[in-house]
Amino acid sequence: QVQLVESGGGVVQPGGSLRLSCAASGFTFSSYGMHWVRQAPGKGLEWVAFIRYDGSNKYYADSVKGRFTISRDNSKNTLYLQMNSLRAEDTAVYYCAKDLATGGWFPLDYWGQGTLVTVSS
Amino acid sequence: EIVLTQSPGTLSLSPGERATLSCRASQSVSSSYLAWYQQKPGQAPRLLIYGASSRATGIPDRFSGSGSGTDFTLTISRLEPEDFAVYYCQQYGSSRSTFGQGTKLEIK
Repeated sequence: QVQLVESGGGVVQPGGSLRLSCAASGFTFSSYGMHWVRQAPGKGLEWVAFIRYDGSNKYYADSVKGRFTISRDNSKNTLYLQMNSLRAEDTAVYYCAKDLATGGWFPLDYWGQGTLVTVSS
Repeated sequence: EIVLTQSPGTLSLSPGERATLSCRASQSVSSSYLAWYQQKPGQAPRLLIYGASSRATGIPDRFSGSGSGTDFTLTISRLEPEDFAVYYCQQYGSSRSTFGQGTKLEIK
């Protein structure tokens, strides 16, 4: 069965950096686009970033562009989110999620359990 | 960026009743690339509907989606106790996806 397991969350000071990982199993990771979505405490969902199945294209929300970098290692079945210049407003649970299908634009059919990032001094 | 506005913010209904949730886009959503998700406290979102009207795998047929262009609707025909949750719409037909702010469906 499909499993997505995020890790790397924690407490970081404003201006600091953190790298999140998402270990995927149960499907052919190298065939699917992957996303990061976040949810601030008590708030709604915010799409953060997307990477194509082969890493050829990456897209970001305006709120994180220039500070966050999405990447993947298909040989390790792992998705990453490098977060730099962190701000208090980046505090959230970060979910990784996979595309429903491959070859176009698709919704997110499987999600991880999330990892909490807290930006605070 | 396409802004999605969901209404109402909170919907109070009883089990057995019909629920109608709305999602309005600031510009046309291409090819009806509109999805609906359900989220319960402490859980990740679950995909319900995609392509505006296609049910995801394992989703009961009491859930249905409709609409096109800028106006979309999620309907739950007869509410079950497990349906009380927060619902989000999402547009995914562009390089920058966006979510609506959510509708909380609560027990009356």
